[in-house]
Amino acid sequence: NAGVMQNPRHLVRRRGQEARLRCSPMKGHSHVYWYRQLPEEGLKFMVYLQKENIIDESGMPKERFSAEFPKEGPSILRIQQVVRGDSAAYFCASSLRGLGNTEAFFGQGTRLTVV
Amino acid sequence: AQTVTQSQPEMSVQEAETVTLSCTYDTSESDYYLFWYKQPPSRQMILVIRQEAYKQQNATENRFSVNFQKAAKSFSLKISDSQLGDAAMYFCASKGGNTPLVFGKGTRLSVIA
Repeated sequence: NAGVMQNPRHLVRRRGQEARLRCSPMKGHSHVYWYRQLPEEGLKFMVYLQKENIIDESGMPKERFSAEFPKEGPSILRIQQVVRGDSAAYFCASSLRGLGNTEAFFGQGTRLTVV
Repeated sequence: AQTVTQSQPEMSVQEAETVTLSCTYDTSESDYYLFWYKQPPSRQMILVIRQEAYKQQNATENRFSVNFQKAAKSFSLKISDSQLGDAAMYFCASKGGNTPLVFGKGTRLSVIA
């Protein structure tokens, strides 16, 4: 049973380009969470999705960022018109249920560098 | 709303000794859960230990244990018999019933041989 798979591991984009980050949750998991980690900082929650639904997007910037988790395929975090401040590590986690004591398993993250 | 505070940006411990990492939290949830995650240089987030707030007994996982003081909203992590492989960033986190994990800023632990 493969863990949470994120790709790419590293992504370099020029300012103004689009970045697409992919997350395949663990088999059987229907809850996906995206986090952003700036250097020397903790993980900041961005968005929580279930299959085809956004449950909580309170941590998402209002512009340029979007996320989806379609019925088939991976969850996608999309950043349009990237700026230098978007450079960070983006982590995805998945869980079997959304309840409090359900362990969330993390991927290894995608490090986005905007040049 | 939930907040998690880790007041120690860095800690160090001698190999085989014991170290305690501090964490305080605040939450409006009556039912919540607390976690410690380890992030080694590989960046992989690894769950170390978790505690259900309704349980009075402190959780223990091998060399890792917590001191959960609910009234004080304190959740410290004790690592006994520290090993070189314990060197990492450690993040304290809390989670409500159906809400996402909220993390502290982390403590960087160095283990001195």
